[in-house]
Amino acid sequence: NAGVTQTPKFQVLKTGQSMTLQCAQDMNHEYMSWYRQDPGMGLRLIHYSVGAGITDQGEVPNGYNVSRSTTEDFPLRLLSAAPSQTSVYFCASSPGQDSSYEQYFGPGTRLTVT
Amino acid sequence: AQRVTQPEKLLSVFKGAPVELKCNYSYSGSPELFWYVQYSRQRLQLLLRHISRESIKGFTADLNKGETSFHLKKPFAQEEDSAMYYCALRPPEGTGTASKLTFGTGTRLQVTL
Repeated sequence: NAGVTQTPKFQVLKTGQSMTLQCAQDMNHEYMSWYRQDPGMGLRLIHYSVGAGITDQGEVPNGYNVSRSTTEDFPLRLLSAAPSQTSVYFCASSPGQDSSYEQYFGPGTRLTVT
Repeated sequence: AQRVTQPEKLLSVFKGAPVELKCNYSYSGSPELFWYVQYSRQRLQLLLRHISRESIKGFTADLNKGETSFHLKKPFAQEEDSAMYYCALRPPEGTGTASKLTFGTGTRLQVTL
């Protein structure tokens, strides 16, 4: 199993550009989520999904869209990038929402918006 | 609202010294608490969870509901323990918000010779 994969690893955008961060998992996990990691802020939940076709907002959803058409994929879309979205983005998955389940994290995507 | 506080950004200790990484939480109930670790150039991974009452790599953490704390401890630090450590909280099942894992800001542990 590849686990949780994210592409790209690095990305530079100009203000106003759009892009999609890809996340995929091959563990048949129902639960997937996106976090952003900023210095001094820790990891903050952006959006999450408890299964295909179901998504919900996390702590910092503004400026981001998600969809979950398949169990495997959970892309994160930036419609109009802003410098405040410069961050490292992590995708995670787990078998379910139960607290006993470990969350598996991807390697991260480092995004810079100029 | 749920909140996790890690008061130290950096903790520097000598090899062989005891380690205590502090974590305090705010939640009006009985949440699930976790410690995650991120080693240099590696992805974030689970270190331990309080419900398992386990010791991983010599680390233990006790949930103190009275003090709302979940400090991570190790009696003798090793060089390979140098990493970023995050405390995290998740509401219990049945609250409708069990999906929302909240992380602290992290503490960088630096173990020196």
